Amino acid sequence: NAGVMQNPRHLVRRRGQEARLRCSPMKGHSHVYWYRQLPEEGLKFMVYLQKENIIDESGMPKERFSAEFPKEGPSILRIQQVVRGDSAAYFCASSPGELYEQYFGPGTRLTVT
Amino acid sequence: AQSVTQLGSHVSVSEGALVLLRCNYSSSVPPYLFWYVQYPNQGLQLLLKYTSAATLVKGINGFEAEFKKSETSFHLTKPSAHMSDAAEYFCAVIPNNAGNMLTFGGGTRLMVKP
Repeated sequence: NAGVMQNPRHLVRRRGQEARLRCSPMKGHSHVYWYRQLPEEGLKFMVYLQKENIIDESGMPKERFSAEFPKEGPSILRIQQVVRGDSAAYFCASSPGELYEQYFGPGTRLTVT
Repeated sequence: AQSVTQLGSHVSVSEGALVLLRCNYSSSVPPYLFWYVQYPNQGLQLLLKYTSAATLVKGINGFEAEFKKSETSFHLTKPSAHMSDAAEYFCAVIPNNAGNMLTFGGGTRLMVKP
């Protein structure tokens, strides 16, 4: 049973470009979460999705960031017009339901130059 | 809001010594509690979880944690450290009464000396 998959593992973008991060949850998991790990700030929740629905986006910056989890295909975290402060490791996690343990992917390390 | 405090951002132990990593949470209602480990440039791996069953929880790699409601603590221990235990450890909670997202502590980097 494959774990949570994320790609790309490393992504370099220039300021102003768009970044698209992909996450495929574990088989049988319908709940997806995105977290961001910033240097000196730790791991912070961004958004919680189920298939075709955003359940909780209280941790998402109000502008430039969006997330989706379509009926088919991976979950996508999209960052428009990236800035240097977006440089971080972005982790996706999945679970089979609410209040279950979450399993994490290896992360995407975004560097904005 | 729920918060998690990990005392000690860095802990150093000798190989074979006891490992004790501290975690306290703030909640009047016991939450769901987790410990995760992160090796360099990798994702987080679940070590163990507490979900209101037994207060002493055994996890992988010889780690265990004890839930103490009176102290609002969930400290992680291992009787004998191994070099391969060197990593960053995160305590996390899911509040029992709201939401489904993990709130993480600041992390503790464990160093193991030969």
